[in-house]
Amino acid sequence: GQGVEQPAKLMSVEGTFARVNCTYSTSGFNGLSWYQQREGQAPVFLSYVVLDGLKDSGHFSTFLSRSNGYSYLLLTELQIKDSASYLCAVRAVGDNSKLIWGLGTSLVVNP
Amino acid sequence: GGIITQTPKFLIGQEGQKLTLKCQQNFNHDTMYWYRQDSGKGLRLIYYSITENDLQKGDLSEGYDASREKKSSFSLTVTSAQKNEMAVFLCASSDNSGNTLYFGEGSRLIVV
Repeated sequence: GQGVEQPAKLMSVEGTFARVNCTYSTSGFNGLSWYQQREGQAPVFLSYVVLDGLKDSGHFSTFLSRSNGYSYLLLTELQIKDSASYLCAVRAVGDNSKLIWGLGTSLVVNP
Repeated sequence: GGIITQTPKFLIGQEGQKLTLKCQQNFNHDTMYWYRQDSGKGLRLIYYSITENDLQKGDLSEGYDASREKKSSFSLTVTSAQKNEMAVFLCASSDNSGNTLYFGEGSRLIVV
């Protein structure tokens, strides 16, 4: 069946970096998105990728490998406020091209 | 920029009661969505709408109705509230590409 997998938790240290992984298995591929969700708040869009490679957007960068069904979100120069859940969502082909969501990775940034 | 407004922020009702959540957007987006978010589970799509008066069922539509009477608003009705469906309900909108979703702050359903 179709699915998007993410590790449940990730810990890192302020000033360093964190890599949030996402693997997927879908019927076709029509793009992958990353969202940030702080506790008690709405998910906020971070990045969308559809081509292989690294997309550098400063504090957040996104990598995609379609042949491996794999993406990661890289956060550099971590701040305490980066502590949040990071959601990966993949758009499949067909079935009205619906979004398939991962459960999210809870990132904790320690001082 | 735009904003998505969900009301109420907390919706409290009794078991078996019909309860309605409302959502307004001023992005002028065609597509709107209702998701349910339970702790430990991913976002699950209840209903979506690609234009005014259109309704499409998601994976979790059983027990819910939706209404898109205007482009800017999308409401969700829980037809008979149950305690096992206490969750956060998130409304979102997107342009036709659907590549970027803009979410509201969420409405928490409490069934007593």
